[in-house]
This record gives sequence, C-alpha cells and structure tokens, in this order.
Amino acid sequence: QQQVKQSPQSLIVQKGGISIINCAYENTAFDYFPWYQQFPGKGPALLIAIRPDVSEKKEGRFTISFNKSAKQFSLHIMDSQPGDSATYFCAATFSNSGYALNFGKGTSLLVTP
Amino acid sequence: DAGVIQSPRHEVTEMGQEVTLRCKPISGHNSLFWYRQTMMRGLELLIYFNNNVPIDDSGMPEDRFSAKMPNASFSTLKIQPSEPRDSAVYFCASSFDNRPSTEAFFGQGTRLTVV
Repeated sequence: QQQVKQSPQSLIVQKGGISIINCAYENTAFDYFPWYQQFPGKGPALLIAIRPDVSEKKEGRFTISFNKSAKQFSLHIMDSQPGDSATYFCAATFSNSGYALNFGKGTSLLVTP
Repeated sequence: DAGVIQSPRHEVTEMGQEVTLRCKPISGHNSLFWYRQTMMRGLELLIYFNNNVPIDDSGMPEDRFSAKMPNASFSTLKIQPSEPRDSAVYFCASSFDNRPSTEAFFGQGTRLTVV
C-alpha cells in the first residue's frame, strides 16, 4: 500500500513558470518529509526537506509548503529552468523506521525552453 | 569520498540464475538501505541495516531475496533463483546516525534484466 500519494504523474511547464507537485500522507507518525530529484540513469538525490513543525521551507527557487492538518505537502519550483527537467519524488519517514524512506510514485517534470 | 558505489551497473541474466548485487556505502555511514525501482511500483524499500544489523526486511518480496552486510563497508543483495518480474533498478543508499536531517545518499543503481 502506497503510504505517500503524489500527483501529478507528469508535468510540462514553460521556462520561467512555476512547477507545483503535491503529496498526501496518512500516517501521522511521519516526522520528516524530504523531496528527491532524479535524473535519468542516476540515483535520487536530496533536494529539500521539511519537518512538520514548520509550514514552509525555502531554498533558492525551491519551496516546500506543509499543511499538517490536511496531511499534505507540496513542492514549488519557481522560475523553472530546462535543467530542472527530472523526476521528483516526495517521501515521508519517521524515527521508528530508522528513517527509511516511503516514496511517492514520482512526477516527471519537463521544462520547455 | 566517491559516494555510494554499486556494482554491477547493469546485469542481464537468465531466469533461474543467481544474481548478486553489491554495495559499498559511504565511509562512516552506519545505516544502509536497499530500494527497488520499477515503473509500476515506484521506489520501494526492501531492507535496511543499522550498524551492520538487519532491522527491517519486511519489504523483501519473498524468500528468493536475501541481503547481508558482513561489515560496515560492504553489503550484498542476492536473488536466487531470479525471475523476469525481478527486473528493476536496485538502489543502495547510506546515511549516518538515523537522524532525519541526515541525508540518505543513493548509489547510481544496478539495472537488472532477467530474461
């Protein structure tokens, strides 16, 4: 059973636009929510992460918004660039699991020039 | 550090054969994870080790799969016998100290094809 639901499955955005990817979870024990970026032929790499005690975290063009009551979180990529074209995975984890990651199914992002 | 090193990068084998995937974690990391990636199921956790001890293997699909970590610098994932449905990309990841703020670093993966 998928513990983290991610949408959309794919996304096409023009250069300079905003890319938005959404995730939802059920397990309230989750206490760490990272986003991973994966390029073809490579392993996933940590992009940005948030803990549920804050509602937003921003790093450069990347922002996570977190809604604890709705059990939802999202990734916003501002001023999207062709180099951002990749697959993005949200994940959730908690201490009793050794912080093993439960991934969403991924969003394939294409940023057109 | 060269990062997490996995070998081989690609493996093609016939159904019924034994397959062994290898992983060298980042030096100093004490948690190691094996994940499997397929189009249908995405990234799934198979097993994770902490200080070389298997902690949770509930994601291992069946008895045909086994994993070992004989020391802090080496782990293997074995499939015996292999089946076509095992075809996937297998990732190894490592991290330090089981803290959430500690990044999990992934290897480049082993693409397994069972024919």
